[in-house]
Amino acid sequence: QKEVEQNSGPLSVPEGAIASLNCTYSDRVSQSFFWYRQYSGKSPELIMSIYSNGDKEDGRFTAQLNKASQYVSLLIRDSQPSDSATYLCAVEDDMRFGAGTRLTVKP
Amino acid sequence: GAGVSQSPRYKVAKRGQDVALRCDPISGHVSLFWYQQALGQGPEFLTYFQNEAQLDKSGLPSDRFFAERPEGSVSTLKIQRTQQEDSAVYLCASSLGGGGNYGYTFGSGTRLTVV
Repeated sequence: QKEVEQNSGPLSVPEGAIASLNCTYSDRVSQSFFWYRQYSGKSPELIMSIYSNGDKEDGRFTAQLNKASQYVSLLIRDSQPSDSATYLCAVEDDMRFGAGTRLTVKP
Repeated sequence: GAGVSQSPRYKVAKRGQDVALRCDPISGHVSLFWYQQALGQGPEFLTYFQNEAQLDKSGLPSDRFFAERPEGSVSTLKIQRTQQEDSAVYLCASSLGGGGNYGYTFGSGTRLTVV
């Protein structure tokens, strides 16, 4: 069974801080990784994709991938209350999602 | 269309009733996926189509679940003899390319409640 594991949280950070969200996966040959944001009662929306080891930055978001450790993370800089949501890690080769980490950014 | 459209938005079914959930993907998107999401959980994979071909149905929980995409566009997820454990949000997603490596666009989902 291919697994995608996330800390369910909740993770609480103050406004302006860096939020760090982590994900591990079991399928060593996986190649494509995505982060989705899901507001309460809404559908997931795509934030970022990453395919290569290292960092990928997009605005306040940075995705990090380490295939040797089978680890992918999402950093949110200058966190805002509007970032409060559940963040889902997806390994799309396997079409699998993690359970999500619930993030709360406190003003 | 501009986005992925799902209908109905909400469905209440009596236990034992059959239901059909519809998904209209973004025009031109090759891949279509169905997921089941229980409250507080991540989306659980049900099935995947590339055009009209159902390439993976390993996530369908039982033979009561059936999905089709006969013309490679609109898809229907059918659940026969619904049970209470089928209550969940059913999400449809589409993707431009094959294999799910292009990122998904999700529909608004259908919330199914079996009473």
